[in-house]
Amino acid sequence: KAGVTQTPRYLIKTRGQQVTLSCSPISGHRSVSWYQQTPGQGLQFLFEYFSETQRNKGNFPGRFSGRQFSNSRSEMNVSTLELGDSALYLCASSRISGRQGGEQYFGPGTRLTVT
Amino acid sequence: AQSVAQPEDQVNVAEGNPLTVKCTYSVSGNPYLFWYVQYPNRGLQFLLKYITGDNLVKGSYGFEAEFNKSQTSFHLKKPSALVSDSALYFCAGTGAGSYQLTFGKGTKLSVIP
Repeated sequence: KAGVTQTPRYLIKTRGQQVTLSCSPISGHRSVSWYQQTPGQGLQFLFEYFSETQRNKGNFPGRFSGRQFSNSRSEMNVSTLELGDSALYLCASSRISGRQGGEQYFGPGTRLTVT
Repeated sequence: AQSVAQPEDQVNVAEGNPLTVKCTYSVSGNPYLFWYVQYPNRGLQFLLKYITGDNLVKGSYGFEAEFNKSQTSFHLKKPSALVSDSALYFCAGTGAGSYQLTFGKGTKLSVIP
């Protein structure tokens, strides 16, 4: 069974631009969560989508948004990029949402560098 | 608000010795607790989970974790460390009514040959 895939793997953008990251979950998994990983803040939860609905959102500004499609693939968008948005963005999928969905399967991440 | 703490940024252990990576949690209700491992330039890999039942949970690659409700801890253990166990380890948890998994800051484990 194929794992979670994320595209692109690496991205370099300049301040003020916007970026879209893509995540394809494991087949049969309906929940997709997004995390931002930085050396200083560690892993921070961005949001979770389940069956095309945002179930939960972390403490990030409105510049961070996402969506999920009917095939469970998910995209994350960051508008008006700031230097502090440079991070590894991880996508994780699980079969169900909520507490039982805590056993998550992570993709390799997208390394975003903002210059 | 729920929180997960990993008090040690780094743990060094000699190959063949037992290892422990510490984790404490603060969540409402009965906790769901997890350990993940991250190798360089890779995503996180699930190691094990505690939901209910036995306080000693066994997982992948010979790892196990001990749940202690009175100390609100969920320490990761392995009887004999391998050099290949060197990686970044994350503890995560969630409480009653929560959809959000909260991660600790991570502990870098270095196994010295």
